[in-house]
Amino acid sequence: DQQVKQNSPSLSVQEGRISILNCDYTNSMFDYFLWYKKYPAEGPTFLISISSIKDKNEDGRFTVFLNKSAKHLSLHIVPSQPGDSAVYFCAASALGRGSTLGRLYFGRGTQLTVWP
Amino acid sequence: NAGVTQTPKFQVLKTGQSMTLQCAQDMNHNSMYWYRQDPGMGLRLIYYSASEGTTDKGEVPNGYNVSRLNKREFSLRLESAAPSQTSVYFCASAGSQETQYFGPGTRLLVL
Repeated sequence: DQQVKQNSPSLSVQEGRISILNCDYTNSMFDYFLWYKKYPAEGPTFLISISSIKDKNEDGRFTVFLNKSAKHLSLHIVPSQPGDSAVYFCAASALGRGSTLGRLYFGRGTQLTVWP
Repeated sequence: NAGVTQTPKFQVLKTGQSMTLQCAQDMNHNSMYWYRQDPGMGLRLIYYSASEGTTDKGEVPNGYNVSRLNKREFSLRLESAAPSQTSVYFCASAGSQETQYFGPGTRLLVL
């Protein structure tokens, strides 16, 4: 049973507009969330993270929002650029939870395409 | 500072053959992980090692074994490869924070 879900396999956005990628989770023990970006034939690269004590974290064009009551997080990219075209994975972790310490649970990814 | 390195980059095996995928990190991280990525399935954890000398099963461990050789190296072994193990394999490492850093991947084709 998947504990982290990305229900949109793909998203297409025009250059300069906002991209919003969504992620839902089911495990209330999760308290740390990450977004990874993956280009073809490369490994995933860390993009941005957020702890459950916050509801927003911003890094340049990238902002992650966390809604704990809804068990939902989203990644906003503003403005979107063609170089942002990649697969984005949402991941979650339960910090310091015994044998699962450090284990990340990943969603299935969303393919973002930014067109000129 | 190379980060996480993986060898080989690409491998073709016949069913029943064995091989070991190598992973090394130079970030002095305690934790290391092996994932596989299949189309539409995201990243699934095969095995992980929270510290040198310990290993634990992940979500899809069947058909694999691992060795945490030392703090830097974590290898994944397929004793008898099957076509279902055709996949892209990623190694990752993490320090005291939860952020994992990934290698470039090994593409494995089992015929």
